[in-house]
Amino acid sequence: NAGVTQTPKFQVLKTGQSMTLQCAQDMNHEYMSWYRQDPGMGLRLIHYSVGAGITDQGEVPNGYNVSRSTTEDFPLRLLSAAPSQTSVYFCASSFLDESETQYFGPGTRLLVL
Amino acid sequence: KNQVEQSPQSLIILEGKNCTLQCNYTVSPFSNLRWYKQDTGRGPVSLTIMTFSENTKSNGRYTATLDADTKQSSLHITASQLSDSASYICVVSAKAAGNKLTFGGGTRVLVKP
Repeated sequence: NAGVTQTPKFQVLKTGQSMTLQCAQDMNHEYMSWYRQDPGMGLRLIHYSVGAGITDQGEVPNGYNVSRSTTEDFPLRLLSAAPSQTSVYFCASSFLDESETQYFGPGTRLLVL
Repeated sequence: KNQVEQSPQSLIILEGKNCTLQCNYTVSPFSNLRWYKQDTGRGPVSLTIMTFSENTKSNGRYTATLDADTKQSSLHITASQLSDSASYICVVSAKAAGNKLTFGGGTRVLVKP
């Protein structure tokens, strides 16, 4: 099993550009989520999904969209990038919900100029 | 508001020495507490999980304790190795709908030879 994979590993964007961060898991997990990690702060939940076709907002959803068309994939879209979105983004998955052990991807480091 | 506070923010220890990391939380109602290890440039990996009734849980040289009455947890690293250099994150799960997880800011540990 590859576990949770994320692409790209690193991305530089200009303010106003849009992009999609990819996340995939091959463990047949129902629950998937996106976090951002900023220096000195704990991981913050952006969006999450409890199964295909179901998504919901987390703590910091503004400026981000998600969709869950399959169990395996959970892409995160930045609609119009802003410097405040410079961060490291982690995708995670768990079998049923977030109270179980979450498996994290390697992260995507995003720099918005 | 649910909160998780970790201390110290960072520490340096010599290889072979022991150290203890602290986690205080105000999450309610409590479901479980996890410690994650995050190597530089990688996603967090689960070390231990403890529920309300568990006082101690070990994973190799890592031992976590939980005092549900005082809402405190500690992670003890025995005979530290260079590979223990990482950030350690305390995550508390609440029994509630929606976003149940509260992340601590982490403790960065540097093990020197």
